[in-house]
Amino acid sequence: QVQLVESGGGVVQPGRSLRLSCAASGFTFNSLPMHWVRQAPGKGLEWVAVITYDGSNEYYADSVKGRFTISRDNSKNTLYLQMNSLRLDDTAVYYCARQTPAVPFDYWGQGTLVTVSS
Amino acid sequence: DIQLTQSPSFLSASVGDRVTITCRASQGISSYLVWYQQKPGKAPNLLIYTASTLQGGVPSRFSGSGSGTEFTLTISSLQPEDFATYYCQQLNSYPLTFGGGTKVEIK
Repeated sequence: QVQLVESGGGVVQPGRSLRLSCAASGFTFNSLPMHWVRQAPGKGLEWVAVITYDGSNEYYADSVKGRFTISRDNSKNTLYLQMNSLRLDDTAVYYCARQTPAVPFDYWGQGTLVTVSS
Repeated sequence: DIQLTQSPSFLSASVGDRVTITCRASQGISSYLVWYQQKPGKAPNLLIYTASTLQGGVPSRFSGSGSGTEFTLTISSLQPEDFATYYCQQLNSYPLTFGGGTKVEIK
């Protein structure tokens, strides 16, 4: 069965860095685009970034452009989000999700909480 | 960027009620719209994609319609397990965007 498992969240000071991982299983990871979506406590959903199936293209939300980098290792079936220069308003649960040609965003991970606090 | 405006942001309804949620896009997005249900502490759950296609396993009381700039999610007869927050999302162009959400609570 399809599984997406995020890890790497935690408490970090403003200005520091953190890398999130999303381990995928149960499907052909190297054939699908993958996304990160976040949700600040008590707030709505915010799309963060996407990477194409082969890692050749990436797109970002304006709020994270230049600070966050999405990447993937298809040999390890793992998606990453490198977050630099973290700000207080980056505090959120971060989800990874897959996008198939037929049904977008059909599977999501359980989320990992990132708390940016001094 | 394409803005999505959901209305209402909050809805109080009773079991058995027919419920309609609207999502308006700031520019045309064809049928590149999806709807999610989210319960507290859980990841969003896909309900409808391409504006009106029901995701497998989703009860038929959920339906979606619309194209261009105006879309609706309808729950024909609200059930206790439907009390949750609902979001629309456009997949027409990057950056992808979500509506602000509609919280459906028990009257």
